[in-house]
Order: sequence, then C-alpha cells, then structure tokens
Amino acid sequence: KNEVEQSPQNLTAQEGEFITINCSYSVGISALHWLQQHPGGGIVSLFMLSSGKKKHGRLIATINIQEKHSSLHITASHPRDSAVYICAVRSGNTGKLIFGQGTTLQVKP
Amino acid sequence: GAGVSQSPSNKVTEKGKDVELRCDPISGHTALYWYRQRLGQGLEFLIYFQGNSAPDKSGLPSDRFSAERTGESVSTLTIQRTQQEDSAVYLCASSLTGGSGYEQYFGPGTRLTVT
Repeated sequence: KNEVEQSPQNLTAQEGEFITINCSYSVGISALHWLQQHPGGGIVSLFMLSSGKKKHGRLIATINIQEKHSSLHITASHPRDSAVYICAVRSGNTGKLIFGQGTTLQVKP
Repeated sequence: GAGVSQSPSNKVTEKGKDVELRCDPISGHTALYWYRQRLGQGLEFLIYFQGNSAPDKSGLPSDRFSAERTGESVSTLTIQRTQQEDSAVYLCASSLTGGSGYEQYFGPGTRLTVT
C-alpha cells in the first residue's frame, strides 16, 4: 500500500462543475502539498498546508490531521484546469516529498 | 526572478552510456532535491542536498546513480551505464532551506530516453 493514496485516479468533468480530489496518507507529516502538472511536465505548487484550510482563487485545500486526509476542491471548473493534480507529503526533517500517484483531471467545455 | 533551471531538456542515450543531468537552483536556496518520474508512474524521491552535503540519499535506486553539488548552487546527477529502466523525467526542486515550512520550486525537468 502506498504511503500516499489519491482518488480518483481519473476524473472527467463538465465546465462549471465543482470538483473534489482526495488524498489520504499513512505516515506522520509536517506538511502536505498540492501540486499541478500540466502536459509537458512542468510542476507548479498550488498549496502547502499543515492544518485547516487555504483558498486561492477557485481552488480550496483542506486538511484533517487527525484523519490523515486532505481534499483539493476546484469551484466553477474550466477547461484550463485540465492537468494532473498531485498530493505530496513531507515526512521527516529533510523536507523530501512522498508523492501520490496523481489525479488526471479533464474538464470539458 | 529566475526559477529552477535544468539541462538538457531532453537527452537520448544508448544503453550502457553515462549521462550527466544538471540543475541550477534558485539563487540563495540551500536545499535541493532530485526526483524521478517514470512513464505512467508517480514522482519518486532520489536525493536531498542541504548546502553541499547530501544527508538523504535513500532514494537513489542503485550505485550507478550519484549526485554532487558544488558552491551551494549547481547540482549534477550522474547515471553510469544507463539501462532502459532509467528512462524517465528527472526533476530538480529547490527550497530556501530543508525541513518543513518551505515551498519547493520545481524545474522543468530533463526527459531521459535510453535506447
């Protein structure tokens, strides 16, 4: 079993839909990251959080430390949101990341 | 300011050859990470540098892989006697320092193809 599990693996949505991607982890963490990877491979950090909730534009990330679970929400989804979304956790004191397998999101117009 | 850069962007090599991949982190970032993403798979950690030291090399898959960092700046990942299973995108990331609380900024990656 992977230390970081994401669901769903693939997600297709219609433009405007509310999207949720889930991440569960089994290790102790100091922080959790949500990353976005577009075709072509470039990775952008969306959020880094260790508790509670963060919002940036149409994106919201939440984390429940007790449940070892995080969610990424996209409101009013748009085709340009189509990408792979990756959950990653920092465990230990080196800062290295342990990654989930990613969720491939396609938003259709 | 300038982000993390990597070179080359693409590398095709024959099985058995050695390759060197370069990472230029953001200036002033003392922590540097190498990750690998094989086709259809998730990212995996290879090695972490704090300054010029590598306190965590636990992700290097075999002794054919090595990395160094000089001047608390540029890092080179070397793969000796490449194998087809080494084909992957190799990503470098840097952060202000290691540990929690600091964002990691990723480079564009080097796509390595071993034929």
